[in-house]
Amino acid sequence: GENVEQHPSTLSVQEGDSAVIKCTYSDSASNYFPWYKQELGKRPQLIIDIRSNVGEKKDQRIAVTLNKTAKHFSLHITETQPEDSAVYFCAASKANSGYALNFGKGTSLLVTP
Amino acid sequence: DTAVSQTPKYLVTQMGNDKSIKCEQNLGHDTMYWYKQDSKKFLKIMFSYNNKELIINETVPNRFSPKSPDKAHLNLHINSLELGDSAVYFCASSQEGYTQGYTFGSGTRLTVV
Repeated sequence: GENVEQHPSTLSVQEGDSAVIKCTYSDSASNYFPWYKQELGKRPQLIIDIRSNVGEKKDQRIAVTLNKTAKHFSLHITETQPEDSAVYFCAASKANSGYALNFGKGTSLLVTP
Repeated sequence: DTAVSQTPKYLVTQMGNDKSIKCEQNLGHDTMYWYKQDSKKFLKIMFSYNNKELIINETVPNRFSPKSPDKAHLNLHINSLELGDSAVYFCASSQEGYTQGYTFGSGTRLTVV
């Protein structure tokens, strides 16, 4: 089955700096790659997603890049703020898989003022 | 106007008991899921239903039985609860093709004592 690796497991940055989280996947048939943010005690919330026919997508301070050849994708957060502190999960999925998301193990991001 | 609602939010029970968690979505999505988040925050799919039909059944013990009376509801019944079942269980829904990604419920924290 699909295996998604996520790094780093923890990341600490100062407010205003950029944060980058990287994921790799094993199944070349995967074609949908969402990123979720989970604050303590809350539900995962979709922050951005990308499909395999696109190499990059941006939404304000958040961007995702996808390299299909290398089978990796990354989340970039610029101008970080303390409210960006949370656990971030990447995931991969493919058609004909019942739309199941295979998640990475998460990155705990701490943004210090 | 909760999109995906789960009940109960907390569930504390003794080993060997049987319990149920209910989930309802009002988004008109055709696919619903149960995910388990363990103590290390790892999110793993358990079941997926599309229009009331089971399409994913991961390696989950037989003690777990999902039921979907209609496409807006997906309940999870657990028999003979064990200590290792303690986790947060998230219900989620999506529309075929991920047109808007997944929406997660707020989670049910199950503690087996």
